[in-house]
Amino acid sequence: AQSVTQLGSHVSVSEGALVLLRCNYSSSVPPYLFWYVQYPNQGLQLLLKYTSAATLVKGINGFEAEFKKSETSFHLTKPSAHMSDAAEYFCAVKAGGYQKVTFGIGTKLQVIP
Amino acid sequence: EPEVTQTPSHQVTQMGQEVILRCVPISNHLYFYWYRQILGQKVEFLVSFYNNEISEKSEIFDDQFSVERPDGSNFTLKIRSTKLEDSAMYFCASSDGLALNNEQFFGPGTRLTVL
Repeated sequence: AQSVTQLGSHVSVSEGALVLLRCNYSSSVPPYLFWYVQYPNQGLQLLLKYTSAATLVKGINGFEAEFKKSETSFHLTKPSAHMSDAAEYFCAVKAGGYQKVTFGIGTKLQVIP
Repeated sequence: EPEVTQTPSHQVTQMGQEVILRCVPISNHLYFYWYRQILGQKVEFLVSFYNNEISEKSEIFDDQFSVERPDGSNFTLKIRSTKLEDSAMYFCASSDGLALNNEQFFGPGTRLTVL
């Protein structure tokens, strides 16, 4: 079975501060990991994905994530938060030949001016 | 940029009624999916569909649910007799392949409210 755990359902950062959203995964086989973002009243947009190539993955809008097998983590970071980053972020995993994507519960990011 | 579209954006229905949620996947995609998100809970996989057949489904996808690709562009989710607990946001997604690293593109969702 595969699962992800997102630590912190709500995160607040000041504009210009580091964004760190935490995700830990559980999978009995090598996983593919994703971060999705959802802006209000919109669908889920892929930010970045880890597919067993480079462990440091760069995505859109200045976000990146590092796959750490020893820690079973795939935390999302951005050096400097922008007001437009306020949204809900979902960590997700696919593994074991399954088609389904298994999502975490999501983290709402608030950016304070 | 091609995108997945869903209609309606919000559907209100009475308990026991049938609803059909509609999706138009990206045109060259062959794999289609439905997910749902009950308010405050995780996004959950319901079903995947390929070559006019269900290829995978979750335990949530019981006999009251069905999916169909009635023509070359639409992909529908039918709930035969809605229950209060079916109230959720329903997301359609599509992808051009089954490989693990194939991205699934999601639509904006349909919010279903069952009264």
